[in-house]
Amino acid sequence: EVQLVESGGGLVKPGGSLRLSCAASGFTLTNAWMSWVRQAPGKGLEWVGRIKRKTDGGTTDYAAPVKGRFTISRDDSKNTLSLQMNSLKTEDTAVYYCIRNYGDAFDIWGQGTMVTVSS
Amino acid sequence: QSVLTQPPSVSGAPGQRVTISCTGSSSNIGVGYDVHWYQQLPGTAPKLLIYGNINRPSGVPDRFSGSKSGTSASLAITGLQAEDEADYYCQSYDSSLSGYVFGTGTKVTVL
Repeated sequence: EVQLVESGGGLVKPGGSLRLSCAASGFTLTNAWMSWVRQAPGKGLEWVGRIKRKTDGGTTDYAAPVKGRFTISRDDSKNTLSLQMNSLKTEDTAVYYCIRNYGDAFDIWGQGTMVTVSS
Repeated sequence: QSVLTQPPSVSGAPGQRVTISCTGSSSNIGVGYDVHWYQQLPGTAPKLLIYGNINRPSGVPDRFSGSKSGTSASLAITGLQAEDEADYYCQSYDSSLSGYVFGTGTKVTVL
């Protein structure tokens, strides 16, 4: 079964850091572009960033609100994706989803992990 | 903030047809980027419903259909069922933002 499982969410103070992980199974991460999308409580979906597969350069792109603070990385040997979040703000509070890209669509979603930024 | 605009809510009786619009601009839908649709049931992760404007992934009922014209796209649900009660989001790529964008979301209520 193709599956993505996120971990690492929790409560962090403003200005703090947190690292989310996403374990892929049922497919080879090496061949996939991957993204992170978040959803604040009671709000809509917001794209966070994307990492291309290594054969396409392995480059990353980020949404303006997180650029310079968040970093996406991949370890294809472990079939794992990561999201390093620094200088966290209260407005970063959300459920964070790890997602596989299917072209410009998102075909496989994890169950999400909750990040709460609060003092 | 969302750059794709959807109606906040639509409703219909079982068996009826409802449509959800998704209005973009010349930097996303209007310039030719594909539109994709997602269904989010309460308390669950979104699920891909329509990709590439009109295509359904395996397992999605043919009651769901998508279309695109100009700077807008639409999702139609025919033969509305109670299990279709959910939030629906459109999504595309925006060249001005150099990133993916989602619609504001539409809550579908089955009366």
